[in-house]
Amino acid sequence: QQKVQQSPESLIVPEGGMASLNCTSSDRNVDYFWWYRQHSGKSPKMLMSIFSNGEKEEGRFTVHLNKASLHTSLHIRDSQPSDSALYLCAARASSGSWQLIFGSGTQLTVMP
Amino acid sequence: EAAVTQSPRNKVAVTGGKVTLSCNQTNNHNNMYWYRQDTGHGLRLIHYSYGAGSTEKGDIPDGYKASRPSQENFSLILELATPSQTSVYFCASGDGGGGDAEQFFGPGTRLTVL
Repeated sequence: QQKVQQSPESLIVPEGGMASLNCTSSDRNVDYFWWYRQHSGKSPKMLMSIFSNGEKEEGRFTVHLNKASLHTSLHIRDSQPSDSALYLCAARASSGSWQLIFGSGTQLTVMP
Repeated sequence: EAAVTQSPRNKVAVTGGKVTLSCNQTNNHNNMYWYRQDTGHGLRLIHYSYGAGSTEKGDIPDGYKASRPSQENFSLILELATPSQTSVYFCASGDGGGGDAEQFFGPGTRLTVL
């Protein structure tokens, strides 16, 4: 069973709508979380990171983190067709580790 | 911006053959990583390295070897390729394990083992 689980597997939203993606770790040792975005045929690129409880906003993107439940979410407001991509959640394996554990991703499609 | 390159970009190999995937980074990062990506599995870590001369096993190392001859170069070696190793392989580089430990990915190598 994957230690980092993402939901939903796929999501379709209309242009201008809100997309909400979820990620939970079943490994109590993870602490820091990252969100990566991967456009079709391209490599993953880091979108946002969050390490403290609460939320962090960058433009149209907001991430939340609840460290007690090891749950993070990514929210994209005013979604654009260019936001269509695979969104990967990653967590640091354990304190002091250089390893990231990736979830299987959420495929987001924004319909014009 | 961080620069990670991979070669070849596409490779077709035969079962039982030897395959070497190469990765080069110009970021002067200490850490380098090899992942494979398959539908439904996200990115899975195969091997990683903390610096020249070091290699460590990741989550799925069986059937793979790695080599880090220099700070810039990190290779993934399939001594006896099997069809189950058909996948897209990504190399990444990064530094540190702390909160700013962003990993920078190469463009990927699509490997098909027939």
